[in-house]
Amino acid sequence: AQSVTQLDSQVPVFEEAPVELRCNYSSSVSVYLFWYVQYPNQGLQLLLKYLSGSTLVKGINGFEAEFNKSQTSFHLRKPSVHISDTAEYFCAVSENQAGTALIFGKGTTLSVSS
Amino acid sequence: GAVVSQHPSWVICKSGTSVKIECRSLDFQATTMFWYRQFPKQSLMLMATSNEGSKATYEQGVEKDKFLINHASLTLSTLTVTSAHPEDSSFYICSARDLGAGRAGANVLTFGAGSRLTVL
Repeated sequence: AQSVTQLDSQVPVFEEAPVELRCNYSSSVSVYLFWYVQYPNQGLQLLLKYLSGSTLVKGINGFEAEFNKSQTSFHLRKPSVHISDTAEYFCAVSENQAGTALIFGKGTTLSVSS
Repeated sequence: GAVVSQHPSWVICKSGTSVKIECRSLDFQATTMFWYRQFPKQSLMLMATSNEGSKATYEQGVEKDKFLINHASLTLSTLTVTSAHPEDSSFYICSARDLGAGRAGANVLTFGAGSRLTVL
């Protein structure tokens, strides 16, 4: 079974500052990794994913994440955040097989202020 | 891109009644859909895996008789909350994988916008 730990429940930052949202996972098998964003009262939008290949993954809205197998981490980063990035961010993991469910971390609330 | 539609987006019902939530893949086919439940300020908890043409697979602790799942076609799965009670109030989200997405879309799930259920 897989599990995901998001180390920070809340991350407050100022606009244009860099941010890193941390995610660690555990699994006995190879995995796929994902970051999703959720705005209030909405569903989830995929930011980026790691399936295989390059460990540095670039996603939408200027976000990127790096898969580190030795540290079982998949931290999300953005060099300069905007007010509009304020949202809930979820890290998720699944077995590296199509059709398997995603297991989510508890989420990190990113609050960007001016 | 792939779109998953959920209906209704908001529903309020009286305690003891049943509520049906629909999840449709609008422009792709999905043999498997997943139902999640999200409590306020919390993560998504997988409730069940819905398989087209067969019974759903429920996660441990989820009551099969309370949360009835039907996956009658490749584009529609329904979740019926039977005899709803206030503790069933939650945000229910479905997701599906595009069968036609191929290797590039391997296990990338598209999520619906969610359905907020309030039981009075």
